[in-house]
Amino acid sequence: NAGVMQNPRHLVRRRGQEARLRCSPMKGHSHVYWYRQLPEEGLKFMVYLQKENIIDESGMPKERFSAEFPKEGPSILRIQQVVRGDSAAYFCASSPGLRETQYFGPGTRLLVL
Amino acid sequence: TQLLEQSPQFLSIQEGENLTVYCNSSSVFSSLQWYRQEPGEGPVLLVTVVTGGEVKKLKRLTFQFGDARKDSSLHITAAQPGDTGLYLCALPLVGSNYKLTFGKGTLLTVNP
Repeated sequence: NAGVMQNPRHLVRRRGQEARLRCSPMKGHSHVYWYRQLPEEGLKFMVYLQKENIIDESGMPKERFSAEFPKEGPSILRIQQVVRGDSAAYFCASSPGLRETQYFGPGTRLLVL
Repeated sequence: TQLLEQSPQFLSIQEGENLTVYCNSSSVFSSLQWYRQEPGEGPVLLVTVVTGGEVKKLKRLTFQFGDARKDSSLHITAAQPGDTGLYLCALPLVGSNYKLTFGKGTLLTVNP
C-alpha cells in the first residue's frame, strides 16, 4: 500500500508566478489535510478537504491560496502570485476517517526567488 | 491559543548515549502524538499517548505522558545514528478532531 504521494518534491518559482502542489492520498483515504512548515516554525494546519468538498480552510491565507480535492485525481494546493514569504515546506496528510491517524507525505519544498 | 513548547531545540550526542526531550503544553490536553521527521521527508508517527501517567515503549524509545496531562517526554536509550532527526510533538487543537498543532521540535543529531 503506497503512502501519501506528493509532487513535485521541490519547486522553484519567481515572485508573481503560480505554484501548484499535488497530493495523492493513501489508497482508501478520503480525508486530506494540508500543512505548512515555515523555516524555524512548527507545522501549521492550512485546510481540510474531503472529495469535492472543502471542510475547513481556517488556516489558509485569505488571498492567493486555494485548495481542491476533485472527484478524480489528486488534491491540489494552488498559490497564485507567489511571494518570498511563501517559501516553505508544504505537507499533505491523509486519513481514512475523521478522528483517525493522519499519515504525512514527503512534502513539497517551495522556494520563491 | 494552545501552545506546545519543546526542549531542547537542538541536541547533539555521541552514539550510545541516552537522552530525553520534552514537550510542554500551556493547557491540559486529551492526547498527544510524537513524530520523527527525517531531513527532506514528512513526519512519521511514532506513538499516541492518551492517559495521564501513561508510559509507552517502542524498542529503545520510551514515551511518558505527565500525570497532569500538560507535558510529555521522550527518552532514547543507547542512541544510534539512525535516530537522527527532528522529533515533533503534536496534539489536536481544542475543539477540533483533526487540526493538529505541532511544537517546533527537537533536532537530534547522533554522531557515530
